[in-house]
Amino acid sequence: EVQLVQSGAEVKKPGESLKISCKGSGYDFTRYWIGWVRQMPGKGLEWLGIIYPSDSDTRYSPSFRGQVTISADKSINTAYLQWSSLKASDTAMYYCARHSSEGDAYWGQGTLVTVSS
Amino acid sequence: EIVMTQSPATLSVSPGERATLSCRASQSVRSDLAWYQQKAGQAPRLLIFGASTRATGIPDRFGGSGFGTEFTLTISSLQSEDFAVYYCQQYNNWPMYTFGQGTKLEIK
Repeated sequence: EVQLVQSGAEVKKPGESLKISCKGSGYDFTRYWIGWVRQMPGKGLEWLGIIYPSDSDTRYSPSFRGQVTISADKSINTAYLQWSSLKASDTAMYYCARHSSEGDAYWGQGTLVTVSS
Repeated sequence: EIVMTQSPATLSVSPGERATLSCRASQSVRSDLAWYQQKAGQAPRLLIFGASTRATGIPDRFGGSGFGTEFTLTISSLQSEDFAVYYCQQYNNWPMYTFGQGTKLEIK
């Protein structure tokens, strides 16, 4: 069974750093792109970027380039999303999803990031 | 960036009736269009890919159509579990995939 399991909720202060994770299982992790999606409270879905774990080829939405860093460690089937200096506006639910030409059928359960002083 | 525009923002329909949701792309995405359903507190669920192909396990009351810039999601006979928010997403403009702003389907 294909699964993406994300790390737990985080509460951080502005200016702090953070790295959240998405662990894949039940399939060859290196053969599918993994995308990250943001959902701010009460809002819609926004595409942040995508990574190919086999060679860590990474692409970002222009809106998020420089704001977040996407990475992956194929040895442990895990993708990451990280911030070097969080802002209150980063408060959101973040999802990872396995991408294919047949849509994003598999999603993580989401990681809620709360940034508050 | 390809902008996806969904209409209406909110759709009120009675159970058992038909619902029609629209999605327009600012430029052609061919058939690289997916529809997702999201319920409160849950991750999105893939319904349709390739504009018209149902994902695994999706009931046949869900149907997708369209090509290029105009797309439609039709739910033929609404069940109680279908009331949710629906998003379209284009995946033609690699790697800049974009979502519509969503249509909330509510009980009339």
